Formats: sequence, C-alpha cells, structure tokens
Amino acid sequence: QKEVEQDPGPLSVPEGAIVSLNCTYSNSAFQYFMWYRQYSRKGPELLMYTYSSGNKEDGRFTAQVDKSSKYISLFIRDSQPSDSATYLCAMDSSYKLIFGSGTRLLVRP
Amino acid sequence: EAEVAQSPRYKITEKSQAVAFWCDPISGHATLYWYRQILGQGPELLVQFQDESVVDDSQLPKDRFSAERLKGVDSTLKIQPAELGDSAMYLCASSFYRETGELFFGEGSRLTVL
Repeated sequence: QKEVEQDPGPLSVPEGAIVSLNCTYSNSAFQYFMWYRQYSRKGPELLMYTYSSGNKEDGRFTAQVDKSSKYISLFIRDSQPSDSATYLCAMDSSYKLIFGSGTRLLVRP
Repeated sequence: EAEVAQSPRYKITEKSQAVAFWCDPISGHATLYWYRQILGQGPELLVQFQDESVVDDSQLPKDRFSAERLKGVDSTLKIQPAELGDSAMYLCASSFYRETGELFFGEGSRLTVL
C-alpha cells in the first residue's frame, strides 16, 4: 500500500463548476500538507500549504486537512479552463516530501 | 521572480550512454533536491542536499546514478550507463527551510533512453 493515495482521474468539469480533489494517507507522522499544480511538461508549483487540521483559503482555492481521518482535500471554486492541470498532493515527515500520483483535471469552456 | 534553472530541458540518449543534468537553485536556498517523475506518477525523491552534504540518498540507484553539489550551490545528477527504465522527467527543487517542505521546482529535464 502506498503512503499517499490519490485518484488519477481524469476529472472533467464544465467551466464555473466546484472541483473537489482528494488524497488519503496512512502515515500519521505527516505534519505538513501541500497541493502542487503541474501543467503539462512543466515542473510542479506550490499552490497551497497547510500545517494543521482545518481549512485554509486562498482566493478560489480551499485546502482542507482532517488528520483524524487521514484525508486531505482541495476545493476549487468557479473553475476556469486555465485550472486544467495535474494536481499533486504532498506530505512531509522527517524532512522528506511524499507525493501522490496526481489527479488530472480538465475544465471545459 | 527567482527560479530554479535546469538544463538540458530535453535529452535523448541510447542505452549504456552517460547523461548529466544540471541544476541551479534559487539563490540562498540551502536545500536542494533531485526528483524523478515517471509519466503518470508523482515525483519520487532521488537525493537531497543540505548545502554541499548529502542528507538523503536512500532511493538513489548508486550503481548507476551519482549526484554532487560541490560548492553548495549548483548541482549535477549523472546517470552512467543509462537504461531504458530511466526514461522520465528529472526535477530539481530547492527550499529555504528544510523543515517545512515548501519546495520550488524547476521545469525539469525530460530524458528518453532508446
């Protein structure tokens, strides 16, 4: 079993939809939780960063962490075609970042 | 805006040949990482440097891969000899604080081994 599980998608939604992306994990030692966005043929870029359980909002993006369930989510409101990318969750423990396999998102105009 | 620089962007080589990738991290970032990303998968850590010292190379196939960061700034990742299974994107990242995991990635070097 992988330490971090993520549905690969692809997830196809119409423009303006609310998108929900999720990851589960097995290692309770993870302390930092991140979401990276990766456009095709580019390196990942940090989108959201959280340390504790709860919600963190940044514009159209909300990151949610539930440590008791070992579950993290990323919500995208009013999705745009420019949001079409692969979204990678990542978790950190002992200075080592573990990535999920990524969910491909396509936002249709 | 400061960026992590990587070269070459694309490399095609034949198996058994040697290949090298270069990375220049964001100025002031003491921690440098090399990740490998196979198509359809998430990045996997190969090696992590703190300044010029290796702090984690547990996933680096040391029989064929080597990495160095001699002056604690830029870094080189070498593969010799390359194998078909090495075809992947090689990503370099850097961070200011090793503890928090906020990594800044370069655009990657895509390797195709024929």
